[in-house]
Amino acid sequence: SAVISQKPSRDICQRGTSLTIQCQVDSQVTMMFWYRQQPGQSLTLIATANQGSEATYESGFVIDKFPISRPNLTFSTLTVSNMSPEDSSIYLCSVRETDRTSYEQYFGPGTRLTVT
Amino acid sequence: DAKTTQPNSMESNEEEPVHLPCNHSTISGTDYIHWYRQLPSQGPEYVIHGLTSNVNNRMASLAIAEDRKSSTLILHRATLRDAAVYYCILRPAGGTSYGKLTFGQGTILTVHP
Repeated sequence: SAVISQKPSRDICQRGTSLTIQCQVDSQVTMMFWYRQQPGQSLTLIATANQGSEATYESGFVIDKFPISRPNLTFSTLTVSNMSPEDSSIYLCSVRETDRTSYEQYFGPGTRLTVT
Repeated sequence: DAKTTQPNSMESNEEEPVHLPCNHSTISGTDYIHWYRQLPSQGPEYVIHGLTSNVNNRMASLAIAEDRKSSTLILHRATLRDAAVYYCILRPAGGTSYGKLTFGQGTILTVHP
């Protein structure tokens, strides 16, 4: 199984600023994802982080607001830009192998972001 | 993407079996049925998955209807640690949505001592 760590675990930020969240995996993985979980809500997929190329964003999410980097197979960052209170959420990193025998997707502990 | 319908909440007593239902009437032939759970203040964790046949693992059992339009996650003996939000998810096996997990609202399971 993959062990995922995220930094920071939580942060309080002022509106208009940006925060970069780091995701580190203890093994090389093919697929990495970023999810958002708004207060009291379920998880929503933001984007798939692709190694060596631009991330693939889901409908409603754009690169200017949520730039993503993935320099190698064990690390990715998500930046929440020009934050507003509506960005207050838990942001989760998730990984999975594309091997067809693999079926589990692993999630990090999340980064709890509060925007004031 | 095919959608799932789950009860908002369910309650159980400790050491009793729990049957968590999920309806997925628009499931396609290649969608896998996955269950994840999210314990308080944690990221989701995989529970079990299946395609057509019933499945068992150390955590739970998955019973899939013959027409695949519904499934039931079975916890054989609930413990207090099983209190979580349980998500039933259809995972596409191909196409542009291959492998993506789309979370619904899930079922909040409360376990009473």
